[in-house]
Amino acid sequence: EAGVAQSPRYKIIEKRQSVAFWCNPISGHATLYWYQQILGQGPKLLIQFQNNGVVDDSQLPKDRFSAERLKGVDSTLKIQPAKLEDSAVYLCASRPAGSSTDTQYFGPGTRLTVL
Amino acid sequence: KNEVEQSPQNLTAQEGEFITINCSYSVGISALHWLQQHPGGGIVSLFMLSSGKKKHGRLIATINIQEKHSSLHITASHPRDSAVYICAVGAQKLVFGQGTRLTINP
Repeated sequence: EAGVAQSPRYKIIEKRQSVAFWCNPISGHATLYWYQQILGQGPKLLIQFQNNGVVDDSQLPKDRFSAERLKGVDSTLKIQPAKLEDSAVYLCASRPAGSSTDTQYFGPGTRLTVL
Repeated sequence: KNEVEQSPQNLTAQEGEFITINCSYSVGISALHWLQQHPGGGIVSLFMLSSGKKKHGRLIATINIQEKHSSLHITASHPRDSAVYICAVGAQKLVFGQGTRLTINP
């Protein structure tokens, strides 16, 4: 079974530029998460999708961050414009529908550096 | 105060030593997860616990629901165990600890 795929793996941009990350979850997984992990900290949830609907985006900085999962499969996370403090690893995870205790499966992450 | 606290934040040990990483949480939980993150950034789920104890190879995870505390143990540690170990609580929505950076020297 293929895991969660993310691209790119690394991205370096200058502040005020735009950037987009892509995630393809495990086939059949209804729930998709985007996390931001700043160096030395644990991941922080940015947004949770259930199929193509948003379940929780309370910690997403909506003035500059946006995310979509139009067909309920893959998802994109965009930052426009980027700030220095956005430098982090952006993790995508997916979980099958069903039991609330099912584990989440994480992708390899995208490491963003904003200069 | 964070909802999930891990200790120690950094741990360096010699190959073969017995390792313990602790996690305390302040919220009610349905499950607790131990995750491993290697320098490349990807995260692998090691355990999901709701009670008692689980063992997988050289890794053992325990949880005490009454005390809101969990421990991750590594027996006969090896340099390839070097990674960041993260405790997370919750089910659909996970709350993460800050991670423990473990370095095992040969």
